[in-house]
Amino acid sequence: GESVGLHLPTLSVQEGDNSIINCAYSNSASDYFIWYKQESGKGPQFIIDIRSNMDKRQGQRVTVLLNKTVKHLSLQIAATQPGDSAVYFCAELTGGGADGLTFGKGTHLIIQP
Amino acid sequence: DGGITQSPKYLFRKEGQNVTLSCEQNLNHDAMYWYRQDPGQGLRLIYYSQIVNDFQKGDIAEGYSVSREKKESFPLTVTSAQKNPTAFYLCASSIYRDSEAFFGQGTRLTVV
Repeated sequence: GESVGLHLPTLSVQEGDNSIINCAYSNSASDYFIWYKQESGKGPQFIIDIRSNMDKRQGQRVTVLLNKTVKHLSLQIAATQPGDSAVYFCAELTGGGADGLTFGKGTHLIIQP
Repeated sequence: DGGITQSPKYLFRKEGQNVTLSCEQNLNHDAMYWYRQDPGQGLRLIYYSQIVNDFQKGDIAEGYSVSREKKESFPLTVTSAQKNPTAFYLCASSIYRDSEAFFGQGTRLTVV
């Protein structure tokens, strides 16, 4: 089974609102996490990453929070725009990446005007 | 421009045929990966390579084969043994195995 999963398959938000996409992981040995954005028919695009020695990291309009106690990862997108509509995946890396990234199923973010 | 190039973008295969998907990167990355994506699903690892002339099976390697003769190239062959090959195939590379992976734009394979 997959060790990374997302709570909601679809998230609909109003343009301009903030979005929060959640991810649960089961492997406590995972030490590196990445959020990817995938638009229809394209490859995933890196958004932001965080290592296990951090609990928060900010980028441009995005923030990733890591709670190792409950093995939870979230992606916050501020002031969502139509271009944010996509599927968002969290991915985890375990043991120095010997086996590559493990991906969750993804959350489809829909921005409503 | 640096990046990962996958070709072709669309590929049609008759049942019983082998097909090869191309993946080339000019990022000087050591690690390369092949993932399969089915509709509404996440990415599943097929094969990965951490260095030239070496590669390892991922979670769903059956029916697939790869080679890594050059650092910049990691072609994937979908063999006739793969019973359900219709999917979106993504190639990725990373500078180290514990760093972010950069993805190509994918190849959509359809069996006709």
